[in-house]
Amino acid sequence: TQLLEQSPQFLSIQEGENLTVYCNSSSVFSSLQWYRQEPGEGPVLLVTVVTGGEVKKLKRLTFQFGDARKDSSLHITAAQPGDTGLYLCAGAERFGAGTRLTVKP
Amino acid sequence: DAGVIQSPRHEVTEMGQEVTLRCKPISGHNSLFWYRQTMMRGLELLIYFNNNVPIDDSGMPEDRFSAKMPNASFSTLKIQPSEPRDSAVYFCASSLAWGSGELFFGEGSRLTVL
Repeated sequence: TQLLEQSPQFLSIQEGENLTVYCNSSSVFSSLQWYRQEPGEGPVLLVTVVTGGEVKKLKRLTFQFGDARKDSSLHITAAQPGDTGLYLCAGAERFGAGTRLTVKP
Repeated sequence: DAGVIQSPRHEVTEMGQEVTLRCKPISGHNSLFWYRQTMMRGLELLIYFNNNVPIDDSGMPEDRFSAKMPNASFSTLKIQPSEPRDSAVYFCASSLAWGSGELFFGEGSRLTVL
């Protein structure tokens, strides 16, 4: 049983489109992390969100932590092929199943 | 600075053989984690150490799996005897502060058990 549910499981879009992926749980977390993993490599930390309602921006990526600290979202603006990868959310060192994103040129 | 170093990167072995995976965490990191990743089950936490002491091994699938951390710069994950269903990518990660959730991963060890 996954403590963190991620959706969608797969997402294939064209370059330039916007997208949002979600991470939901019935548990409250003191913080959540988002990682990106590329084939043949380990996950790489993108961001940590700590405060309920917090919004963090990293260039074209916007991360939001839910008010109740049970869920989070990742929004990518004007996706590029370099954004392709597996996006994982994690809480208390446990990971969701991930969203596998493909951005086509 | 060197990241988390894992070896071997790839291992192919036959059912029943012993497998030992190795990890060197980032210097100064106090927590070390072993994960297993498969398509079916995703990234599963197997065991973690804080200051070289095993804290929670509830994720270790069976008694065939064991992990040790004899010092702050080295950890092993051993499978004996190995089975085909153990085939997966095994990741080691380290963290500066326990409970921060901010993990630094190695490149993984891809294990195939025939």
